[in-house]
Amino acid sequence: SQQGEEDPQALSIQEGENATMNCSYKTSINNLQWYRQNSGRGLVHLILIRSNEREKHSGRLRVTLDTSKKSSSLLITASRAADTASYFCATDGSQGNLIFGKGTKLSVKP
Amino acid sequence: ETGVTQSPTHLIKTRGQQVTLRCSSQSGHNTVSWYQQALGQGPQFIFQYYREEENGRGNFPPRFSGLQFPNYSSELNVNALELDDSALYLCASSLEWGSTEAFFGQGTRLTVV
Repeated sequence: SQQGEEDPQALSIQEGENATMNCSYKTSINNLQWYRQNSGRGLVHLILIRSNEREKHSGRLRVTLDTSKKSSSLLITASRAADTASYFCATDGSQGNLIFGKGTKLSVKP
Repeated sequence: ETGVTQSPTHLIKTRGQQVTLRCSSQSGHNTVSWYQQALGQGPQFIFQYYREEENGRGNFPPRFSGLQFPNYSSELNVNALELDDSALYLCASSLEWGSTEAFFGQGTRLTVV
């Protein structure tokens, strides 16, 4: 079963605009991560936020975490065509594994 | 590039056959996990190996099995292939069990016909 659910399922924006993706999860977590996947290839780790953190930045990425609402958001500022990809949130499973949502498919048009 | 390599990149098999997928972990990583990703879905955890022992398993039947070797490379074996096994299979290595960051390979695209 999937822990996280991303919203929206698909997002299309123009280059230079900001993109916001949301993730909701069901059970308590130690940390939450965001990954990017280009065209059905491997996943690339973007950023990790711990349960005691509320906001984290990495370059053009900003992640927030609200544990009371069991939700997180990923903001990509000043998007580029190269940001076109699927984005997944992942929470920590009980077996040292990651539990992924279904992802948000982002399309950035030049 | 994460340093995790998978082979082959693509594979076509017939229903009922057996398949072996391979993964070479990033140097120094002793934990490897395998995930199945169906089209349009997120990756689903199959199992995890730590120091050559399986120490975690998702909701997959026993015909999905694996091995981890002393050099920490890994195999995923699937017996009696079914059409629904068609998916992208991803290998991820971590520095230690419970490490927060996983490094993924590019995946093997398996098609069962």
